[in-house]
Amino acid sequence: DGGITQSPKYLFRKEGQNVTLSCEQNLNHDAMYWYRQDPGQGLRLIYYSQIVNDFQKGDIAEGYSVSREKKESFPLTVTSAQKNPTAFYLCASKRLGAGEQYFGPGTRLTVT
Amino acid sequence: DAKTTQPNSMESNEEEPVHLPCNHSTISGTDYIHWYRQLPSQGPEYVIHGLTSNVNNRMASLAIAEDRKSSTLILHRATLRDAAVYYCILRDLRGQLTFGSGTQLTVLP
Repeated sequence: DGGITQSPKYLFRKEGQNVTLSCEQNLNHDAMYWYRQDPGQGLRLIYYSQIVNDFQKGDIAEGYSVSREKKESFPLTVTSAQKNPTAFYLCASKRLGAGEQYFGPGTRLTVT
Repeated sequence: DAKTTQPNSMESNEEEPVHLPCNHSTISGTDYIHWYRQLPSQGPEYVIHGLTSNVNNRMASLAIAEDRKSSTLILHRATLRDAAVYYCILRDLRGQLTFGSGTQLTVLP
């Protein structure tokens, strides 16, 4: 089946630790995105990438880092510099030139 | 970025039509109007999008005002599975989506 996978669904970390969230897609999409969602709010863009080995900061990139070494993978690292990392993280992808983004199921990160 | 305004919540009866409004008075000529919906603890799902003309697909219809300052998402027969948060979003030339807080649709049996 084609789609976007994010793992794990739930992730728990201690404060001060870096953590990497996985996002993989087999849709052959060029563009990939990371969003953060806090309770009762809409999604906010963290980073996006339109081609391999290139990515751009979104609206709230501070405290996060990404890489895009392969077309199908776009991992997000939540660093210890992110002051409030507990949130629901969503990955999306789309074909260049297309309108709709396809979202993964999300990873709920809790940092204590 | 152009913004959208939606009611926080709406209710509908099952099997009746639902009209979800959205205001976007600062929309630019190149912004597309997108609608997504999100169930609890899931990723958003694309519903429909349009630029100037009304659009129909298997999920919904999108009615766009002539001046493009507002639009309405129409679900022709609401089902319990349509209960979700519906986001009206303007997509700019960069292709980025800026999500607001959306409308929580409750469908009553």
